[in-house]
Amino acid sequence: QKEVEQDPGPLSVPEGAIVSLNCTYSNSAFQYFMWYRQYSRKGPELLMYTYSSGNKEDGRFTAQVDKSSKYISLFIRDSQPSDSATYLCALGEKRYSGGYQKVTFGTGTKLQVIP
Amino acid sequence: EADIYQTPRYLVIGTGKKITLECSQTMGHDKMYWYQQDPGMELHLIHYSYGVNSTEKGDLSSESTVSRIRTEHFPLTLESARPSHTSQYLCASAGIETQYFGPGTRLLVL
Repeated sequence: QKEVEQDPGPLSVPEGAIVSLNCTYSNSAFQYFMWYRQYSRKGPELLMYTYSSGNKEDGRFTAQVDKSSKYISLFIRDSQPSDSATYLCALGEKRYSGGYQKVTFGTGTKLQVIP
Repeated sequence: EADIYQTPRYLVIGTGKKITLECSQTMGHDKMYWYQQDPGMELHLIHYSYGVNSTEKGDLSSESTVSRIRTEHFPLTLESARPSHTSQYLCASAGIETQYFGPGTRLLVL
């Protein structure tokens, strides 16, 4: 079983829809949680990161973490065609203070927002 | 916005050639990483570095090697390129926690 599971999609939605992207994980050592957006043929771009359970909002994006259920989500409100990309969740654990931090990436969910 | 650069962006090369993929960052980050990613597939960590003169192999076995002589520079070398090395190579750096990625190098070995 993979440490991080993410539905690969593709997910196709109409413009203006609310999108929900999800990841589940099995490793309790994960301490911080990130979402990246990757356009085709580009490097991943950090969208949001958070440490704690609960919601964190940034514009149209909301990251949600539920540590008790080992479940994280990214919500996109009022989705736009420019949001069409692959979204990767990434979960980090600190092996030891100041040292190597292991980050495990999900496989990514491909999102298409149709005008 | 992260300042991390990769060159070349695209490289087509013949089998057996030696190649070096460059990665530089201007953020003073100690931690740097190399990932390999095939189209539509997940990221695989192939090398990482804690700082100068520190390099380790990642989760995915790779025939490439890396060096870290300067904080800002983390080049990846393939001594003898093969078609199986065809992929996208992504470099990243991290300060406290979050990783910032470069634009990637798409490598095609004929």
